[in-house]
Amino acid sequence: NAGVMQNPRHLVRRRGQEARLRCSPMKGHSHVYWYRQLPEEGLKFMVYLQKENIIDESGMPKERFSAEFPKEGPSILRIQQVVRGDSAAYFCASSPSKETQYFGPGTRLLVL
Amino acid sequence: AQSVTQLGSHVSVSEGALVLLRCNYSSSVPPYLFWYVQYPNQGLQLLLKYTSAATLVKGINGFEAEFKKSETSFHLTKPSAHMSDAAEYFCAVRNRDDKIIFGKGTRLHILP
Repeated sequence: NAGVMQNPRHLVRRRGQEARLRCSPMKGHSHVYWYRQLPEEGLKFMVYLQKENIIDESGMPKERFSAEFPKEGPSILRIQQVVRGDSAAYFCASSPSKETQYFGPGTRLLVL
Repeated sequence: AQSVTQLGSHVSVSEGALVLLRCNYSSSVPPYLFWYVQYPNQGLQLLLKYTSAATLVKGINGFEAEFKKSETSFHLTKPSAHMSDAAEYFCAVRNRDDKIIFGKGTRLHILP
């Protein structure tokens, strides 16, 4: 049973470009969560999705950030017009219910 | 609102010595509490969780944590540190909305 997969593992973007981060949850998991980790900080919740639905996006910046979890395919976290402050590690977690969350290896985004 | 405080952003112990990582939480409801470990450039791995059953919770790699309601604490311990335990450790609480709130983390250094 493969764990949560995220790709790419590392992503470099120039200011103003778009970043797309993908997350494939564990088999049988219908709940997906995205977190952001800034240097020397813990993880901060961004958004919680179930298939085709955003359940809670209270942690998402109001502009430039969006997330989706389509019926088929991975969950996508999209950051438009990236700025240097977006540089961070972005982690996805999945869960079969609202219980324990299992984390992927993360995508480390560097904005030049 | 739930929150988590980890005392000490860096802790150093000698190999073979006791490991004690401190975590205090605030929660208005019986909490679900977690300890996660993060090795360099990897995602978070669940060490153990407390879900209102036994107050002493045993996890992987010889770690355990004790839930003390009177002290609102959930400290992580291991009797004898190993070099491979060097990592960052995060305490977390699950809130009413099923979001996980993370502490800022404690980096554990093992001295030879």
